[in-house]
Amino acid sequence: EAGVTQFPSHSVIEKGQTVTLRCDPISGHDNLYWYRRVMGKEIKFLLHFVKESKQDESGMPNNRFLAERTGGTYSTLKVQPAELEDSGVYFCASSQDFGRGAFFGQGTRLTVV
Amino acid sequence: AQTVTQSQPEMSVQEAETVTLSCTYDTSESDYYLFWYKQPPSRQMILVIRQEAYKQQNATENRFSVNFQKAAKSFSLKISDSQLGDAAMYFCAYRSAFNSGNQFYFGTGTSLTVIP
Repeated sequence: EAGVTQFPSHSVIEKGQTVTLRCDPISGHDNLYWYRRVMGKEIKFLLHFVKESKQDESGMPNNRFLAERTGGTYSTLKVQPAELEDSGVYFCASSQDFGRGAFFGQGTRLTVV
Repeated sequence: AQTVTQSQPEMSVQEAETVTLSCTYDTSESDYYLFWYKQPPSRQMILVIRQEAYKQQNATENRFSVNFQKAAKSFSLKISDSQLGDAAMYFCAYRSAFNSGNQFYFGTGTSLTVIP
């Protein structure tokens, strides 16, 4: 069974540019989460999809971040325009069973210069 | 809001020895789940162990066990017979058992080094 996959693994962009991160959850998982970790700090929640609907987007830092989940399958997280403080590792996770842990992808390391 | 605290940014252990990673959390909820995740240098986070708050018995998974103290809101991870492959960043996480609080809350992580 394939795990959660994220693309790209690394991205270096200039301030003001646009970047789109993609996450493919485990097939059949209705729940999809985006998290971000800034170096040395905790992993912070960004948003949660249940199928194609945004269940909770309270963690999205501002309107430069846009997340979508087409047809309840893969998800994209677009940052436009990127700022220096957006640098970090963006994790995607999916789960089906509420009480069990989520499965995480390898993360996308975003560096904004 | 729930918070998770890992007070040990770095820990080291001799191979084959035992190490305990600490985690405390703050919540007003009565039912929740606690997790330990491991993130090796390859960066994919793996679930190590989970604990359901309403269960008093401490969870165990092979060489990994937890010491869950609900009243003290403490959830430490013990790794016995440490192996080189245990070297990783370890994150403690909390998740509400209620639908309205479905996100995970993570600590800042503990970087574990295993010394040969």
